[in-house]
Amino acid sequence: DADVTQTPRNRITKTGKRIMLECSQTKGHDRMYWYRQDPGLGLRLIYYSFDVKDINKGEISDGYSVSRQAQAKFSLSLESAIPNQTALYFCATSDFALGGYTFGSGTRLTVV
Amino acid sequence: DQQVKQNSPSLSVQEGRISILNCDYTNSMFDYFLWYKKYPAEGPTFLISISSIKDKNEDGRFTVFLNKSAKHLSLHIVPSQPGDSAVYFCAATTGNQFYFGTGTSLTVIP
Repeated sequence: DADVTQTPRNRITKTGKRIMLECSQTKGHDRMYWYRQDPGLGLRLIYYSFDVKDINKGEISDGYSVSRQAQAKFSLSLESAIPNQTALYFCATSDFALGGYTFGSGTRLTVV
Repeated sequence: DQQVKQNSPSLSVQEGRISILNCDYTNSMFDYFLWYKKYPAEGPTFLISISSIKDKNEDGRFTVFLNKSAKHLSLHIVPSQPGDSAVYFCAATTGNQFYFGTGTSLTVIP
């Protein structure tokens, strides 16, 4: 099993719909992150969490919300999806500030 | 504003030759730098890192160089192999969060 699992792997949704992307990890890491990847823009941080009671906005949090249900689970929600949220979304974990990330395999989201 | 930049979207290199991937940053507070490698349909994986107190770190075929005065980071792959074909992201951090570059797609031609 993968250390960081993202579901779904692919999703097509309509404008205005609510959608949740889920992430779970078996690494035992406290820190979890959500990034989106767009062509020409690299990876941009949406939200991050250093423990269950800690949620922080990243560079591009508008239009997104997150929930840290447990140490191992970190969900990303789009309350009302719009086409410019079409992107590849990655969840990542790390166990200390300067540690390298462990990334999930990504969720490809298309908003039509 | 992009704090970490990779100005070459793509690079092609012959097998056996050296691949040099470049990265520039603007924030002088960054104190730790990393390179990630990404294959299609997979998440990025950690490759190599360097602390700002060093100017070089080597791991097998991979060497990262840091020039703090120029705010420039480079990754050297010698010799390049076809399996190195992937997208490479550089990243920098002050401690709490990482900032990623836009990626360079490396193709190693057999």
